[in-house]
Amino acid sequence: IAGITQAPTSQILAAGRRMTLRCTQDMRHNAMYWYRQDLGLGLRLIHYSNTAGTTGKGEVPDGYSVSRANTDDFPLTLASAVPSQTSVYFCASSDGGGFANTGELFFGEGSRLTVL
Amino acid sequence: AQKITQTQPGMFVQEKEAVTLDCTYDTSDPSYGLFWYKQPSSGEMIFLIYQGSYDQQNATEGRYSLNFQKARKSANLVISASQLGDSAMYFCAMREFYAGGTSYGKLTFGQGTILTVHP
Repeated sequence: IAGITQAPTSQILAAGRRMTLRCTQDMRHNAMYWYRQDLGLGLRLIHYSNTAGTTGKGEVPDGYSVSRANTDDFPLTLASAVPSQTSVYFCASSDGGGFANTGELFFGEGSRLTVL
Repeated sequence: AQKITQTQPGMFVQEKEAVTLDCTYDTSDPSYGLFWYKQPSSGEMIFLIYQGSYDQQNATEGRYSLNFQKARKSANLVISASQLGDSAMYFCAMREFYAGGTSYGKLTFGQGTILTVHP
C-alpha cells in the first residue's frame, strides 16, 4: 500500500541522547514535512523539504535537524533530546500543490516520543 | 498573530444532528487554500475537504461541507447527520500561495476541536 512509513512508532528516550526518526514515502512526492503535535497547539511545522537536496526551517526548528538525500527519505534528528521535545511527530508529503491541485498533505502514522 | 484559529476546544453533538466546527484564518495573500483534517483516537490524519480561495462554490464531500465566507475569513466545517464514528479531533489548516503562483504546500494548522458524538 502506497504511503508514508514512520519509525519508530513509539520511543522513550533519556534526555541528552541522540535520536533519529525515520520517514519514507513511496508516492514520489517532491515535498516532505515534519510536524509535531502538542495538545492545545495543533500541529506545528519543524522542517520541510521542497525537493531532494533542499531543506528549510519551519515554525519550531530549534533542536532538530533534517536531511533530504533522495526523494523518498526525510529523517528527523534530535541531536540532544530534551523533555520539551516530548511530543507526537508526524511526517507528511505532498505533490507541492499549485493552482491545478490542492497539494493536500499525506501523513504517516506518527511517532510518539517521550524524553525523560 | 495566529494564522488559523479554532475557538472551540470541544464540541458535543447528538447522533444524526448537524454540527458546525469553526475556523477563522488570517492572510494577506489573495491566493490560498483551506483544508480540514480528521484525527480519530487511533491517531492518523485523514484529509476531509479542501476549499480554494478563488472557488466560487462552497466545497462539499459527502456529509462534509465547508462554509466559506471570504470576507469574514472563516472556513467552518459542517458535518451533517453526525455518526458515532465522527467523534475525533478536527483540524483546520491553510496553505498560502506566494507571489509567483506555486508554493510547496506548507500547511499551517489550528489548535484543533475535539468533537464528541452522543448516541
